[in-house]
Amino acid sequence: QPVVTQEPSVTVSPGGTVTLTCGSSTGTVTNGHYPYWFQQKRGQAPKTLIYDTNYRHSWTPARFSGSLLGGKAALTLSGAQPEDEADYFCFLYYSGDLVFGGGTKLTVL
Amino acid sequence: EVQLVESGGGLVQPGGSLKLSCAASGFIFSDSTIYWVRQASGKGLEWVGHISSRPKNYATGYAASVRGRFTISRDDSKKMAYLQMNSLRTEDTAMYYCTRVEPTIGMDVWGQGTTVTVSS
Repeated sequence: QPVVTQEPSVTVSPGGTVTLTCGSSTGTVTNGHYPYWFQQKRGQAPKTLIYDTNYRHSWTPARFSGSLLGGKAALTLSGAQPEDEADYFCFLYYSGDLVFGGGTKLTVL
Repeated sequence: EVQLVESGGGLVQPGGSLKLSCAASGFIFSDSTIYWVRQASGKGLEWVGHISSRPKNYATGYAASVRGRFTISRDDSKKMAYLQMNSLRTEDTAMYYCTRVEPTIGMDVWGQGTTVTVSS
């Protein structure tokens, strides 16, 4: 069973830029893992932000972008807002199985 | 409005069974793959399994932790998906979400979740 790793916690200043990463125990993350990014605020269901590495849904603010960076999937937030404080989860697809990362708690402070 | 609504959660004893439902509205249900994802309190998300659409022969997939105990099914005429959970364990205690995958836009909408508690 592959393991997907994320930073446990990250802090960003309001207006700042931050990159969260999503790594795989099997090696380099590629587009073939169809990386997804989700945002979850306390007491709410997850919300899909990014799918298939870098595609935004209609509700995803343009300040969020997805990419592949240094062998990992990455979620970059440019111009952090207080409302972006949340947990962020990624998942990777492995030949029919989905594996979620442990999540990153993003603090905007 | 595209919407998914889960129901059927509750308290069940270890070894018991429970069937969750996911009601869809606002989209062509038969075109979508439905996923079940769970989250234990204060923990991360865990893929439980999925059921594909009719063009993909309603293929299913399950996480190793639930394989052989959980079964996913769907009724396209009712726009419903189901998660039958048997031989429940305390570690199955979680919020259970359903979500859809559309062929062109991937996974998008999630339900609000239903809570399952396995305890004696």
